[in-house]
Amino acid sequence: DAGVTQSPTHLIKTRGQQVTLRCSPKSGHDTVSWYQQALGQGPQFIFQYYEEEERQRGNFPDRFSGHQFPNYSSELNVNALLLGDSALYLCASSLGQGSFYNSPLHFGNGTRLTVT
Amino acid sequence: QKEVEQDPGPLSVPEGAIVSLNCTYSNSAFQYFMWYRQYSRKGPELLMYTYSSGNKEDGRFTAQVDKSSKYISLFIRDSQPSDSATYLCALMNSGGSNYKLTFGKGTLLTVNP
Repeated sequence: DAGVTQSPTHLIKTRGQQVTLRCSPKSGHDTVSWYQQALGQGPQFIFQYYEEEERQRGNFPDRFSGHQFPNYSSELNVNALLLGDSALYLCASSLGQGSFYNSPLHFGNGTRLTVT
Repeated sequence: QKEVEQDPGPLSVPEGAIVSLNCTYSNSAFQYFMWYRQYSRKGPELLMYTYSSGNKEDGRFTAQVDKSSKYISLFIRDSQPSDSATYLCALMNSGGSNYKLTFGKGTLLTVNP
């Protein structure tokens, strides 16, 4: 049973560039959430996708956008990268019609983005 | 004031010690409380979750919630070197399908053999 998979594992970009991160949810899950974890901090909620639509969004600028595909996989796009965007980006999946007790979040191992 | 406060440590204990990890929160809308463990270079994994005030036990782990004081704790008995990790508390308002978690900073724990 494949868990949440993310690619790439590491990425180095230059300030001002754009980046796309990818996530495949755990088998059977249809909802994907993205979190940003800066060094020494807890994860912060970016947004959540269900049925190919953004359902919730955290306090992140419009430079952060996403997409969910019909197979439930998801992409996170960040435009005009800033040094402060350097972080571990975590994808988590769950069942959209479930409650937390039925379907707690399963996290991937993240993509470590470094902006120079 | 941050919504969730957690002492980042680091915390270093000898093997077999009892470990106490804590978080405080300010938003009384939080109804669900979780503890995640995160090993280095890995994603967080869910250890325990609870809804009500009181204690919940799972093996060597006990989660405690005091909603009146807005204080949550995780106790680890007979700690092992394999428990060395960052422990994150996480809270959320609703247990429905559109849930989002608010995390503490995490506490780095090292258990020395």
